[in-house]
Amino acid sequence: GENVEQHPSTLSVQEGDSAVIKCTYSDSASNYFPWYKQELGKRPQLIIDIRSNVGEKKDQRIAVTLNKTAKHFSLHITETQPEDSAVYFCAASERNTPLVFGKGTRLSVIA
Amino acid sequence: EPEVTQTPSHQVTQMGQEVILRCVPISNHLYFYWYRQILGQKVEFLVSFYNNEISEKSEIFDDQFSVERPDGSNFTLKIRSTKLEDSAMYFCASIGAEVNVKQYFGPGTRLTVT
Repeated sequence: GENVEQHPSTLSVQEGDSAVIKCTYSDSASNYFPWYKQELGKRPQLIIDIRSNVGEKKDQRIAVTLNKTAKHFSLHITETQPEDSAVYFCAASERNTPLVFGKGTRLSVIA
Repeated sequence: EPEVTQTPSHQVTQMGQEVILRCVPISNHLYFYWYRQILGQKVEFLVSFYNNEISEKSEIFDDQFSVERPDGSNFTLKIRSTKLEDSAMYFCASIGAEVNVKQYFGPGTRLTVT
């Protein structure tokens, strides 16, 4: 089955700096890669996703890149703000199969 | 925008008791999922449900667990005899019929087994 590895487990950045979180996956059949942001005690919220026919997708300060050959994808947050502080999870799936999540990255943005 | 809803938000139960967690998926969605998240850990898949039957389940989803869609709107997860290690957040999610549509998560039920 699919296995998703996520790094780093914790990340601290200064406000205004960029943050990068990386994930690798094992199953070449996976073709959908969402990123979720989870604040303490709340549900995971989808912030951006990418499908395997696209190499990069951007939404304001957030971007995701996908390298299918290397089986890795990354989340990029630019101009970080304190409200970006949360736990971020990457995930992978194929069609409507269940999401397989990474272990999460705790991002702290220091004002 | 429609949302997945879950009840209760917090359930406290004694070990060995049965619990039922309830979810109302988005109305025109066809695929339903239960995930759990032990405190401080990643989200783990439990079971998926499509066309009124289980389509996939994980190793976590043993004989103590069951799911059903008793009517056209509710989707329930039952734990027959709870164990301490069942303490976790349980999230319901649903998606529509299209391929690779976004999975929307409900707010979760925090289950505490004492």
